[in-house]
Amino acid sequence: NAGVTQTPKFQVLKTGQSMTLQCAQDMNHNSMYWYRQDPGMGLRLIYYSASEGTTDKGEVPNGYNVSRLNKREFSLRLESAAPSQTSVYFCASSEGNRGLEQYFGPGTRLTVT
Amino acid sequence: AQSVAQPEDQVNVAEGNPLTVKCTYSVSGNPYLFWYVQYPNRGLQFLLKYITGDNLVKGSYGFEAEFNKSQTSFHLKKPSALVSDSALYFCAVRLLGGYNKLIFGAGTRLAVHP
Repeated sequence: NAGVTQTPKFQVLKTGQSMTLQCAQDMNHNSMYWYRQDPGMGLRLIYYSASEGTTDKGEVPNGYNVSRLNKREFSLRLESAAPSQTSVYFCASSEGNRGLEQYFGPGTRLTVT
Repeated sequence: AQSVAQPEDQVNVAEGNPLTVKCTYSVSGNPYLFWYVQYPNRGLQFLLKYITGDNLVKGSYGFEAEFNKSQTSFHLKKPSALVSDSALYFCAVRLLGGYNKLIFGAGTRLAVHP
């Protein structure tokens, strides 16, 4: 049982390049989330998917798109990377809308130059 | 606006002493509250949660937290700190009406010295 996995672990992009961050969970969870973590700001929600086939904006969605490919996978795409998107990105999952805890992946450290 | 505050950037404790990491919140209605821990270069790990019931909640690794409605606080505690407890701790609150969406505090770095 791997839990939540993310690829890649590290990435360096030039301004304007695009990339997709991949996330998968093997816990049969309904809900999945993308966060970014910046120093002194905690985690901020970018997008979430309450269930397969649905996605909604979080606190800081600008510059990002998501795809809930199936129940297991939830990807985050940066179409045109900007230096302000330099951050650590975490994917998480939870059983659903029952106030239960979220399980986090190991993170992707992204640098945009 | 709903928010979570962790007033201390860093807490320093000697090994064996009790520790407290503070959290206060501002939400409408009854809050769902969580504590997570982050070790270096790792994702967040769930420690404990308060949904309803007893104000003292016990969690993983000997941690507990006390919910205080009148003071809108949810402080994390441990009777005897270990060096291995050194990490970054996050308090979080579930948004009212938000589908299991959490707001996180900025985090408190706990340093336990031998």
